[in-house]
Amino acid sequence: DQQVKQNSPSLSVQEGRISILNCDYTNSMFDYFLWYKKYPAEGPTFLISISSIKDKNEDGRFTVFLNKSAKHLSLHIVPSQPGDSAVYFCAALSNYGGATNKLIFGTGTLLAVQP
Amino acid sequence: NAGVTQTPKFQVLKTGQSMTLQCAQDMNHNSMYWYRQDPGMGLRLIYYSASEGTTDKGEVPNGYNVSRLNKREFSLRLESAAPSQTSVYFCASSGLGYINQPQHFGDGTRLSIL
Repeated sequence: DQQVKQNSPSLSVQEGRISILNCDYTNSMFDYFLWYKKYPAEGPTFLISISSIKDKNEDGRFTVFLNKSAKHLSLHIVPSQPGDSAVYFCAALSNYGGATNKLIFGTGTLLAVQP
Repeated sequence: NAGVTQTPKFQVLKTGQSMTLQCAQDMNHNSMYWYRQDPGMGLRLIYYSASEGTTDKGEVPNGYNVSRLNKREFSLRLESAAPSQTSVYFCASSGLGYINQPQHFGDGTRLSIL
């Protein structure tokens, strides 16, 4: 059973517009959420994270929103750039602050930013 | 700064063969992880090591063994490879969780089993 779901396999947006990537989760014990970005033939790289005690975290062009009651988070990229074209993975973990962060990943969304 | 280094980058095996995937990190991280990525499945945790000398099973451990050789190195072994183990394997490392240190990934090993 998929605990972290990314229901949109792909998304296409125009350069300069907003990209919104969505993620849903089922486990109410998750207390920390992360977004990773992955280019072909490379490993995932950390992008931005949010703790369950917050509802928004912003870092430059990237903002993550968390709606705990809906068990939903989203990643906003504004403005989108062609270099943002990649696969984006949502990940979650419980027992944040423990000795090991055991991440549960979603299936990923392929973002294509058209020039 | 190399970060997380995985070897080999590509490998083709025949069913029943064995091999070891190597991973080393130079960030002085305590925790290390092995994942596999399959189409439509995201990344799934195979095994992890919270610290040198300890290893634990993740979500999909069957058919694999691991060794935390020292703080830097964490290897993944397939004793008798099966076609279902065809995948891209990623190694990752992280510092202590309460310091808010996300996992850093290597570039992966692409493994095909015929």
